[in-house]
Amino acid sequence: AQTVTQSQPEMSVQEAETVTLSCTYDTSESDYYLFWYKQPPSRQMILVIRQEAYKQQNATENRFSVNFQKAAKSFSLKISDSQLGDAAMYFCAYQIQGAQKLVFGQGTRLTINP
Amino acid sequence: DGGITQSPKYLFRKEGQNVTLSCEQNLNHDAMYWYRQDPGQGLRLIYYSQIVNDFQKGDIAEGYSVSREKKESFPLTVTSAQKNPTAFYLCASSTSGGSGDTQYFGPGTRLTVL
Repeated sequence: AQTVTQSQPEMSVQEAETVTLSCTYDTSESDYYLFWYKQPPSRQMILVIRQEAYKQQNATENRFSVNFQKAAKSFSLKISDSQLGDAAMYFCAYQIQGAQKLVFGQGTRLTINP
Repeated sequence: DGGITQSPKYLFRKEGQNVTLSCEQNLNHDAMYWYRQDPGQGLRLIYYSQIVNDFQKGDIAEGYSVSREKKESFPLTVTSAQKNPTAFYLCASSTSGGSGDTQYFGPGTRLTVL
């Protein structure tokens, strides 16, 4: 079965500092996609960043970047220069090639301390 | 503005009643999805549809039904057969439903069974 594990239920960081959220996944597939979604208190899921498994280069989106280690099946999210608006639940998700569904982890609640 | 709307935001149901959750999108996306989120958990796929008049079961379809008569609309009915329907329901859409397509989410509906 495909599973996604986020081992940190909660994380906190000082405003303007850097934080890394962990995600590991279990799959026997070689072609797949990985996503980080943010769910703020409004509860709407917002895409943060996306990575294709066949690309070795790590994806970046402004202050957000990933460390994708395919052999280790690890997909961590780094948030630089943390801002108060980054406070949210963060979900890692995985989608195999040919499938429509996203498989989600259980989430990490990120708190930003002013 | 393009986006996904869900209504109502909050819904209360008595035991034994069927209720229908609305999802509409004006993004001209072919594919639409319904996910369920329980407290402290990630999302799980209920149903998805890649084209009008066609849909497939996800991982937890029992007790739910859907229709896709129009490209823009994908309503979800929670039937009395669903044993534990209290949850947060999220609708999503993507361009074609192909692997790797980014899924964009609506604001969600919170369903509570009284």
